[in-house]
Amino acid sequence: GAVVSQHPSWVICKSGTSVKIECRSLDFQATTMFWYRQFPKQSLMLMATSNEGSKATYEQGVEKDKFLINHASLTLSTLTVTSAHPEDSSFYICSAGPSNLANEQFFGPGTRLTVL
Amino acid sequence: GQQVMQIPQYQHVQEGEDFTTYCNSSTTLSNIQWYKQRPGGHPVFLIQLVKSGEVKKQKRLTFQFGEAKKNSSLHITATQTTDVGTYFCATNAGKSTFGDGTTLTVKP
Repeated sequence: GAVVSQHPSWVICKSGTSVKIECRSLDFQATTMFWYRQFPKQSLMLMATSNEGSKATYEQGVEKDKFLINHASLTLSTLTVTSAHPEDSSFYICSAGPSNLANEQFFGPGTRLTVL
Repeated sequence: GQQVMQIPQYQHVQEGEDFTTYCNSSTTLSNIQWYKQRPGGHPVFLIQLVKSGEVKKQKRLTFQFGEAKKNSSLHITATQTTDVGTYFCATNAGKSTFGDGTTLTVKP
């Protein structure tokens, strides 16, 4: 199957700092990538759809100025959590899928963010 | 948008027992996907169903899509300890919507 990587796998930061998370499709091109957040023992919550070469589409309730998404190439999307606070601590996961595999999403390994 | 509800939230079984998780929607779904997430891991795609009444099998796992395309089920026969994890259903209509998941624990 297709491979999606994420970096870093975990990060601990102080409150008020910004954290950038990278999502890469390693063996296919992805015009669309998805960013999710998952709290402990809960389901995945779609935050936004990242579109290559255009603005991301954010889900209701997700602050676009807080969670900056950049999809500058067909293999890379980044999520920047700006001015992070303890309530932003969560597991952030991206997904992408090759165009020839309709609706099948491959997930990155996730990034565990802890804001102190 | 489309929403999917999953039951039960938790299921604890003895190794060798069967397990079933159900996914329901109030609206007709264009497709349904099933994922498995091991503790501490990320979701892994298992299968996609698109046809009304479709049934697919993967070894001990049986996936069904209802005739009305409003519900789906995942059945595991004779569970093993390697089956532990959370099973999510999801539907995709331009973007993925996940159910709340069913967490399966298996007692050896």
